[in-house]
Amino acid sequence: GAGVSQSPSNKVTEKGKDVELRCDPISGHTALYWYRQSLGQGLEFLIYFQGNSAPDKSGLPSDRFSAERTGGSVSTLTIQRTQQEDSAVYLCASRPNRGGAGNTIYFGEGSWLTVV
Amino acid sequence: GENVEQHPSTLSVQEGDSAVIKCTYSDSASNYFPWYKQELGKRPQLIIDIRSNVGEKKDQRIAVTLNKTAKHFSLHITETQPEDSAVYFCAAPRGSGTYKYIFGTGTRLKVLA
Repeated sequence: GAGVSQSPSNKVTEKGKDVELRCDPISGHTALYWYRQSLGQGLEFLIYFQGNSAPDKSGLPSDRFSAERTGGSVSTLTIQRTQQEDSAVYLCASRPNRGGAGNTIYFGEGSWLTVV
Repeated sequence: GENVEQHPSTLSVQEGDSAVIKCTYSDSASNYFPWYKQELGKRPQLIIDIRSNVGEKKDQRIAVTLNKTAKHFSLHITETQPEDSAVYFCAAPRGSGTYKYIFGTGTRLKVLA
């Protein structure tokens, strides 16, 4: 695709329910990131996938959060037993390759999650 | 540590004036420093970046400077325009050879017409 695609764009869920957020990275990008942005706040790192390496999960806020990346492409972020403080925009980003001193990461439009 | 500190959190300037946003990082192995602009309700987008082997980079009205000794880098916007109003984020990788980008807390820039 032309860019990073995320779905759903908006999700309202009841407290205690599980939610899944999906990310389709740019074709050929080997790295994929999830960030969380609460209203008016910064970009909080959640998890980072690079190729077939073990993901860096150091930013996941609790064991209710998990993420998978199947076949090195699509990723799903799962939040179990959602709480109101989980309400935020969940941004996915992808990056072309590992080489070089740095590569641009490209963000999706985000999934707006509201827990009521 | 992995912190990237960003200042100020908000900045208001008159149209035509300059704006400067500063970031400091803690990991001396970091070697790539991008700046992102996020307009209201939209995704963050890269506006300029700098690598550790240069001290300054310019692109029209925007420039970034890097001081590796002091571990800080700055975004400079000259001749500001209303469309520059947005939230700006700096970022740094956790270290050389890794691409775990940690973002600053953001600066909300308002350009007053």
